[in-house]
Amino acid sequence: GQQLNQSPQSMFIQEGEDVSMNCTSSSIFNTWLWYKQDPGEGPVLLIALYKAGELTSNGRLTAQFGITRKDSFLNISASIPSDVGIYFCAGHNAGKSTFGDGTTLTVKP
Amino acid sequence: GAVVSQHPSRVICKSGTSVKIECRSLDFQATTMFWYRQFPKQSLMLMATSNEGSKATYEQGVEKDKFLINHASLTLSTLTVTSAHPEDSSFYICSARGDGELNEKLFFGSGTQLSVL
Repeated sequence: GQQLNQSPQSMFIQEGEDVSMNCTSSSIFNTWLWYKQDPGEGPVLLIALYKAGELTSNGRLTAQFGITRKDSFLNISASIPSDVGIYFCAGHNAGKSTFGDGTTLTVKP
Repeated sequence: GAVVSQHPSRVICKSGTSVKIECRSLDFQATTMFWYRQFPKQSLMLMATSNEGSKATYEQGVEKDKFLINHASLTLSTLTVTSAHPEDSSFYICSARGDGELNEKLFFGSGTQLSVL
């Protein structure tokens, strides 16, 4: 089946630093989605990408849909303590979503 | 935005009892809902896909008689863990996909932490 490779697995950064994480796949996806999950909660949608090459921002978050449709990255600028959590990418095709293994972000004040 | 409500958020039960978890789409009609299981510090593991008015489609390795799914309306899907055992303890999450421009987005419930004693 389709698989996503998400990296890095975890990140420990200082407040104010920028963060970058990415997902790659051997398969093409029509839609890329990025979610954030806080402990004990369900994932919350951050950004949705629909077109190859699309670059979309949501506040301090920026995500891009790779030209080949096989990858996507998420950047967080000027991180703050509440950015802590697990970030998941998801590729979507034909009614089915495939999730990456997540990137656990820790922000030190 | 689209809101998915999941209840209960936490349940503790004795081994052998059955537990029902509800997933409701509050402001949109969810033609398809998904149920996931998540272990600590791991990704979401899809258990089954439920379509309104039809039988759920279970992923390989998921026992359909153990995890009963009902999607009787466009706004409600339920997952019943039958005769729960300690190994069923986990975080269960539902998600819903809507129609139209909501079709390619998944909206998640807040999850249910099940602890079986």
